[in-house]
Amino acid sequence: QVQLVESGGGVVKPGRSLRLSCAASGFSVYSYGIHWVRQAPGKGLEWVAVIWYDGSQEYYADSVKGRFIISRDNSRSMVYLQMDSLRAEDTAIYYCAKDQAVAGNRLDAFDIWGQGTMVTVSS
Amino acid sequence: SYELTQPPSVSVSPGQTASITCSGDMLAVQYTSWYQKKPGQSPVLVMYQDTKRPSGIPERFSGSNSGNTATLTISGTQTMDEADYYCQAWDSRTAVVFGGGTKLTVL
Repeated sequence: QVQLVESGGGVVKPGRSLRLSCAASGFSVYSYGIHWVRQAPGKGLEWVAVIWYDGSQEYYADSVKGRFIISRDNSRSMVYLQMDSLRAEDTAIYYCAKDQAVAGNRLDAFDIWGQGTMVTVSS
Repeated sequence: SYELTQPPSVSVSPGQTASITCSGDMLAVQYTSWYQKKPGQSPVLVMYQDTKRPSGIPERFSGSNSGNTATLTISGTQTMDEADYYCQAWDSRTAVVFGGGTKLTVL
């Protein structure tokens, strides 16, 4: 069964760090880009970051650039989101999502989504 | 950075046709994808590359793209289609952009 499972969410104080994990199974994760997307309470979907299938490229939303780092370990079928200098506005459900483009120099739609993990930044 | 603009809300009666638009300069040169998001659930891809429907998505969902505007159309709308819908596109400069979302009400 193709699936993504996020973990690592929780409550953290402003300025602190948190690392989210995304475990992939049921497909060859090394062939696909993986995204992180978040949804703050009462707000819309916001794209956060993407890492290319081979880890060669990373892109970030302006709102997290310089604070978040996306990485992957294809040998373990894992993708991570290191979140530093967290702010209240980072409070959201964080989803990892699989890009359906196969091992290319482009992106496409997000065909598989995890169930999400909640991150709350509060003092 | 690029923006994708959607109407905040669309209302439709059951059995009628709902159209949700997404406007943005990047849509003239990039594909649009659409996602359905229901409360407490993860987003679901309902349309990709403007007009292609993923396996398992009902035929009543269709998509089109005319220049700078993409449209998701739901024919014979059912109450189960009530949800928030988001368009999404990407390009090599901004990576990924989502529209602000449209709340579809079926009443």
